[in-house]
Amino acid sequence: TQLLEQSPQFLSIQEGENLTVYCNSSSVFSSLQWYRQEPGEGPVLLVTVVTGGEVKKLKRLTFQFGDARKDSSLHITAAQPGDTGLYLCAGLHTGTASKLTFGTGTRLQVTL
Amino acid sequence: EPEVTQTPSHQVTQMGQEVILRCVPISNHLYFYWYRQILGQKVEFLVSFYNNEISEKSEIFDDQFSVERPDGSNFTLKIRSTKLEDSAMYFCASSERRQGANTEAFFGQGTRLTVV
Repeated sequence: TQLLEQSPQFLSIQEGENLTVYCNSSSVFSSLQWYRQEPGEGPVLLVTVVTGGEVKKLKRLTFQFGDARKDSSLHITAAQPGDTGLYLCAGLHTGTASKLTFGTGTRLQVTL
Repeated sequence: EPEVTQTPSHQVTQMGQEVILRCVPISNHLYFYWYRQILGQKVEFLVSFYNNEISEKSEIFDDQFSVERPDGSNFTLKIRSTKLEDSAMYFCASSERRQGANTEAFFGQGTRLTVV
């Protein structure tokens, strides 16, 4: 079983602070996706990273794929209350690109 | 904006009963998926479906589970004899092509199944 561990599980910070969420595995993934999930809703894709070492930016969010394609990070600059939510990483396995393995999730709360 | 639609949003059923969860994928999508999320746990893959057959399934997807595309628009998940541990949020997803680096899967809002 290929596992994706996210850390931290919970994060409560004040508006304006920076934060980094980590997604780690012992397995290699063909690509890795980051989702955000609101309560009572399905996951919504934020970004897909494909190449080892790749960095993608989405406004104040920076996503990085590890060189070995086993891990990834999400960095949020100057967090805002609207960033509050559950962040999920999910990997597509090399050779089996029809299913996602989701991480354990990081619940972020940003307060004023 | 096209979206994946799931019904019902919440289903309560007695243990041992059959339930059918319904999904309407995005119209031009060809690949369909079911995932589930037990409360407080991670999202888990159940099954993927393409060209009217299962392309991949997980260990969770045992003989109690089945999927069907009964017509050109619906994609259903049937649980024949529900158990308490089947209680979870079930998400349907669809993608235009086989999910990969340049193909996004779109998730529905989910159906919360409660087995009592």
